[in-house]
Amino acid sequence: AQTVTQSQPEMSVQEAETVTLSCTYDTSENNYYLFWYKQPPSRQMILVIRQEAYKQQNATENRFSVNFQKAAKSFSLKISDSQLGDTAMYFCAFMKHIFNKLTFGGGTRVLVKP
Amino acid sequence: EAQVTQNPRYLITVTGKKLTVTCSQNMNHEYMSWYRQDPGLGLRQIYYSMNVEVTDKGDVPEGYKVSRKEKRNFPLILESPSPNQTSLYFCASSSLLRDRDHEQFFGPGTRLTVL
Repeated sequence: AQTVTQSQPEMSVQEAETVTLSCTYDTSENNYYLFWYKQPPSRQMILVIRQEAYKQQNATENRFSVNFQKAAKSFSLKISDSQLGDTAMYFCAFMKHIFNKLTFGGGTRVLVKP
Repeated sequence: EAQVTQNPRYLITVTGKKLTVTCSQNMNHEYMSWYRQDPGLGLRQIYYSMNVEVTDKGDVPEGYKVSRKEKRNFPLILESPSPNQTSLYFCASSSLLRDRDHEQFFGPGTRLTVL
């Protein structure tokens, strides 16, 4: 079974600064997807970024980027130029290729301070 | 608009009183699933369905039932709710077709409190 671990329960960052969230996972699979989801106070689950394991290039989406280290089974999320609207819970998630079940980490609460 | 809907959004009930949380999607997705979210544990899968009349247990199925009589609907049934089922529940759907993106679409969540 896969496990996903987020070791930072809470983080705070000043507006316009950069924050990095860590995520490690355990799997014996070779083909899989990794995701970061954002959950603002509205509780909606919002996909931030996804990474396919067979792609060596790290995914980026505007101010969000990942550092994917397949051998180390690490998948960190960097939020650059943090904005007040980035305040949310962030979840790292794993999905086996074509299996569709998501396995989530425990979450990291991010607070962006003005 | 492509969406997953859940009802009710909030529910307070008492131990033992049967309840159903509905989930519906309009994207013709084959795969639907239910997750519960608890502090520090993230989201954990309760049940999932690969298509009509095909359902299976996830990681935390005890105390729950599901059915998939129509492709668009996937209700979650708590026949005898207990306080440990107080949680935030999410329904999600996605395509299983090989040439489609497997992105999960989540409903807005249902906050359930069992007294």
